[in-house]
Amino acid sequence: TQLLEQSPQFLSIQEGENLTVYCNSSSVFSSLQWYRQEPGEGPVLLVTVVTGGEVKKLKRLTFQFGDARKDSSLHITAAQPGDTGLYLCAGCSNDYKLSFGAGTTVTVRA
Amino acid sequence: KAGVTQTPRYLIKTRGQQVTLSCSPISGHRSVSWYQQTPGQGLQFLFEYFSETQRNKGNFPGRFSGRQFSNSRSEMNVSTLELGDSALYLCASSLTIPGTGELFFGEGSRLTVL
Repeated sequence: TQLLEQSPQFLSIQEGENLTVYCNSSSVFSSLQWYRQEPGEGPVLLVTVVTGGEVKKLKRLTFQFGDARKDSSLHITAAQPGDTGLYLCAGCSNDYKLSFGAGTTVTVRA
Repeated sequence: KAGVTQTPRYLIKTRGQQVTLSCSPISGHRSVSWYQQTPGQGLQFLFEYFSETQRNKGNFPGRFSGRQFSNSRSEMNVSTLELGDSALYLCASSLTIPGTGELFFGEGSRLTVL
């Protein structure tokens, strides 16, 4: 059983469309991170959110941490083929153990 | 600045054998974490070391073990391999406690158990 549930598991969209990936849990996290992993490589950190209700923007990517610090979302505006990859959320518990979700595979078609 | 280096990148073993994987963290990073990645399961936490001490351990059987050396390099060992151990094993290093800062991942060691 995953501590963090990500949805959807797979997402295929056309270039220029928007998409949202969700990361949900029944546990409260002290912080939550989003990583992107491309084939043959390790995950790379996109953002860390620490405050409930926090919104962070990274160019066309918008990250939101839920008010109760149990969930998060990642929204991509006008997706590009370069956004293709496996998006992973990771929650940090109070004992500093980082738990990852199963990931959302995003494919952006040109 | 060199990244996290994992060796070997690929290996094939048979059931019952044992395997040792190596991870060299980024210079100056004292925390090293290990994860198992399989399709549909995401990254499952194995263990985390800081200054040669295991600080956290995931829910894996005792066949999975690890250690960290004084130069922060880390190794993990899996004994009596099972088919289900086939996976990508990722090592990550960080400057601070995981979750408070960025984890820098290596490219992984892909283990196939036949």
